[in-house]
Parts: sequence; C-alpha cells; structure tokens
Amino acid sequence: GESVGLHLPTLSVQEGDNSIINCAYSNSASDYFIWYKQESGKGPQFIIDIRSNMDKRQGQRVTVLLNKTVKHLSLQIAATQPGDSAVYFCAENNNAGNMLTFGGGTRLMVKP
Amino acid sequence: DSGVTQTPKHLITATGQRVTLRCSPRSGDLSVYWYQQSLDQGLQFLIQYYNGEERAKGNILERFSAQQFPDLHSELNLSSLELGDSALYFCASSVGGFGNTIYFGEGSWLTVV
Repeated sequence: GESVGLHLPTLSVQEGDNSIINCAYSNSASDYFIWYKQESGKGPQFIIDIRSNMDKRQGQRVTVLLNKTVKHLSLQIAATQPGDSAVYFCAENNNAGNMLTFGGGTRLMVKP
Repeated sequence: DSGVTQTPKHLITATGQRVTLRCSPRSGDLSVYWYQQSLDQGLQFLIQYYNGEERAKGNILERFSAQQFPDLHSELNLSSLELGDSALYFCASSVGGFGNTIYFGEGSWLTVV
C-alpha cells in the first residue's frame, strides 16, 4: 500500500460535488507547478501542470489555479467521483534542474 | 501505466545489508529521478540523472548511491541499511529537464527489519 503521512489533511466530499484542494508553496522562484494523484499502492500520477506565466489552466474535469502573490495553488475537481478518492500532492519546480519539491498531500475521500 | 518500470516491488532485508533497486524509464526518456516516500518525510527527492550523468542531488544519504547506464536504466544502491530506511522508493522519468512532465513508477517497497 501507499506510504503517506499519518496526519494528512482530509477533504471529504459527496459524489457529484466539486472538490477544491489547496496547496501553499514555499519558493517564490518556483515557476512550474504540478498536481499528482496517488492511489493506494501506486505511484504518483500526473494530473495537470501550470507555468508561472499563467494563473489558470483547465483539463478534463480539473482546473488548476495559481496565485503567485500569496504563493498558493489549488486543484478543482468537478463532479467528483469515487474514483477520485486518493491523496493529492502539489509539487513545485524552481528551474534548478527538474527537481520537484512536493507538498505534504491532501487525502480526498468521496462519499457515494 | 506510466511506462516506468521498477523492480523489485517489495523487498524485506535486515539492518546492515545492501540492496539494489532497478528502474527502466519510459521509452525515449533521458532523465531518471529517484524519490523516497516515508511516513514522516513525505516525498523527498534523492537524485537525478540525465543521459548517464548526474544532474541534481537532493537529500540522498552517503550510504546511498545511484547510476544511470548507457541503456538509460538506473539503479539505486542502498547500503548499511537502517530501520529508518524503510520506505517506498520511486523512480520517475522525463524526456528532458525543466518543464518536462515527470512520470512515476509504481515504487519499490523496502522494509528493513
């Protein structure tokens, strides 16, 4: 199974509702941000990314918002489904190679 | 399936021992990364290789080493193992460097007893 922090913040939502997962990043020099989804027993799966010259990017059912002023990133999932239940990590990249610095993760639980 | 292959999936070994974790990157990817995921430290970057050369180093202990071979597969060597080294070790790969999407493998579960 997965190995994640024991004290992960948890977001519990009803199936069909929208979910918003927040992340505060640390390095003002970071200019590339990624959201990953990690299901139990699996590796992090790429969801969506955004570069610092954008403040919003949309994918299929997901939207990432970037607020560089307050160093905040959010992931919005529309019409949340049971299959969305997982731990979600934001990661930042400050152009020092391609090294990702991961946040602590948020556990999303979807109630049927 | 990300296309990144890691072996073994699970490994149990005793303290003081040495293990080698193996990774095959996605076809065409030149960069390989190693990350450690533990309960109390989250996902931590260890080291990156690009086309056989070390590109970046993170919080990798001196007891740990890695290399990338000419066929681009990589190995992470962990020696003098301690109980605290028990963790999930991920390999990831990308086409190149900055800004390229990084894809993760399924990880190797290491338990040190």
